[in-house]
Amino acid sequence: EPEVTQTPSHQVTQMGQEVILRCVPISNHLYFYWYRQILGQKVEFLVSFYNNEISEKSEIFDDQFSVERPDGSNFTLKIRSTKLEDSAMYFCASKGAFGNTIYFGEGSWLTVV
Amino acid sequence: DQQVKQNSPSLSVQEGRISILNCDYTNSMFDYFLWYKKYPAEGPTFLISISSIKDKNEDGRFTVFLNKSAKHLSLHIVPSQPGDSAVYFCAASRYSGNTGKLIFGQGTTLQVKP
Repeated sequence: EPEVTQTPSHQVTQMGQEVILRCVPISNHLYFYWYRQILGQKVEFLVSFYNNEISEKSEIFDDQFSVERPDGSNFTLKIRSTKLEDSAMYFCASKGAFGNTIYFGEGSWLTVV
Repeated sequence: DQQVKQNSPSLSVQEGRISILNCDYTNSMFDYFLWYKKYPAEGPTFLISISSIKDKNEDGRFTVFLNKSAKHLSLHIVPSQPGDSAVYFCAASRYSGNTGKLIFGQGTTLQVKP
């Protein structure tokens, strides 16, 4: 069964450092997303990406965040200067051209120290 | 953001019995609803969905009911199995908006006892 894959599974980084989280969405999907879940809280939407541009972003997704689809398969989330409050599980997700079901990856656990 | 609420943080059920998980929403613009199952340190796994043009959708042991007038949906699992023990999230979206942005509830932890 096709799946969304994410790397790394866990990353520890110092405050102020840049982090890049990587994702390979399901092949032939066209819509890509990043969500996050801070420990003990809800899963929150960060950003959606379609046709090589951001289609929607939340208030969390400020200038410190950026997304990119550098080639035909990868989808990345960059946090330019990490803060302690960025510590969370980050989920990449994708959706096909039809239907409204979004499929999630296993997550990348980011710890900022 | 309290647009989607799961008011029961936990539910415990005996194996073989029915599990009923509930979800309420406030935004009448939502027209597509999904249930996800999640284990600790893993991503949400899609279970079942329902469009607002239906009031019921069934897939094996899982049935989702939608009551639009009450802005309420529920997930029924029959019969419940110990492997169903996990956190269950409901999520809502606006299909017509088509960015696919999902708004999640807080989750309900289901424990199925053997």
